Amino acid sequence: GEDVEQSLFLSVREGDSSVINCTYTDSSSTYLYWYKQEPGAGLQLLTYIFSNMDMKQDQRLTVLLNKKDKHLSLRIADTQTGDSAIYFCALTGGGNKLTFGTGTQLKVEL
Amino acid sequence: DAGVIQSPRHEVTEMGQEVTLRCKPISGHDYLFWYRQTMMRGLELLIYFNNNVPIDDSGMPEDRFSAKMPNASFSTLKIQPSEPRDSAVYFCASSLGASQDREAFFGQGTRLTVV
Repeated sequence: GEDVEQSLFLSVREGDSSVINCTYTDSSSTYLYWYKQEPGAGLQLLTYIFSNMDMKQDQRLTVLLNKKDKHLSLRIADTQTGDSAIYFCALTGGGNKLTFGTGTQLKVEL
Repeated sequence: DAGVIQSPRHEVTEMGQEVTLRCKPISGHDYLFWYRQTMMRGLELLIYFNNNVPIDDSGMPEDRFSAKMPNASFSTLKIQPSEPRDSAVYFCASSLGASQDREAFFGQGTRLTVV
């Protein structure tokens, strides 16, 4: 099956940039996503990228996709305390199967 | 639409009891997913449906777990008999396969504690 890996924790200072990384094994995914989970809540879609793109920018968010290395990253510029959450990368495989990574807990310190 | 609705929000049950978790997807969505989230294993896909038909149940841990979708607006995940290691947060999500981004919308989750 699909393997989607992320580092477990990331700590940054408020105002700095955060970079959350994700590696995956299945190169057939059409859509690659970043979801955010705040404490006690379900996941919400932050942004997504089509597999034929290298980069997507959406306000403070920049998604980079390196298909050769099967590597996806999410950069959050000017990180704020409200960005503290768990971030999941996710991929759609065959049949629209949505598989999530292990999640990265982002902690933003003052 | 009120979003994906799951019930109950919290469930505490004794080992050996049957547990039924419920989900109402967003109207018009044709995909429904059941996930389990734990500290140890992260977010695991248990099973998903397309047009009420189970497509992939390879993530269902054991025969004690079963899921049904009798119609487009309702799904259940049943655990019988429940065990302490089933304690987790169970999420239901739905999506529209024909949408541009196929965004999955999640419910608030059911926190299950088996004692």
